[in-house]
Amino acid sequence: EVQLVESGGGLVQPGGSLRLSCAASGFTFSSYWMHWVRQAPGKGLVWVSRVDSDGITTSYADSVKGRFTISRDNAKNTLYLQLNSLRAEDTAVYYCAKRGAPNEYYFDSWGQGTLVTVSS
Amino acid sequence: QSALTQPRSVSGSPGQSVTISCTGTSSDVGAYNSVSWYQQHPGKAPKFMIYDVTKRPSGVPDRFSGSRSGNTASLTISGLQAEDEADYYCCSYAGSHILVFGGGTKVTVL
Repeated sequence: EVQLVESGGGLVQPGGSLRLSCAASGFTFSSYWMHWVRQAPGKGLVWVSRVDSDGITTSYADSVKGRFTISRDNAKNTLYLQLNSLRAEDTAVYYCAKRGAPNEYYFDSWGQGTLVTVSS
Repeated sequence: QSALTQPRSVSGSPGQSVTISCTGTSSDVGAYNSVSWYQQHPGKAPKFMIYDVTKRPSGVPDRFSGSRSGNTASLTISGLQAEDEADYYCCSYAGSHILVFGGGTKVTVL
């Protein structure tokens, strides 16, 4: 059974930094692209970033480009998201999600999310 | 990277059908066979319901179906049941390994 468990969320001041982690199990982590999706309180889902299976190529939403960095450690079956220069509008639950299949653009498994609150 | 457009809410009685639209552009919904739909109950993680516009993963009831016409994709729930009350989100590939979600639609079972 695929399991994705996020951690690392919390309260941080504007301009601060945080690193989120997503521990994966139940599948061959190193074979799948992985994504981060966020959801502000009471709002909709927003795609944030993706990384390829080798951790070489990445993509970002315009709203986080230059501030967030996605990475992975295939030896540890863990996905990361480094959040820098945080703003109030980055407050959200952050989900990690697994790509469904090679050359496909959908998410077949999601974690339960970790809440990031940016406030002074 | 503009969000896809979904109605804020739709409703129906048990047993009825409801359809949720998802309008994009010729650069996303209309360009790729990569539209997916997700169901989210309050406080829960999203659940994968439809992929590649019309395909249904195993375990998803066949009362859920997807379609597309031009730049608008749709999710239809036939034979509406109480447990279908949730938020639903469409998502499309938009090129260059970028994805875009719709704003979400709340389905209410009357």
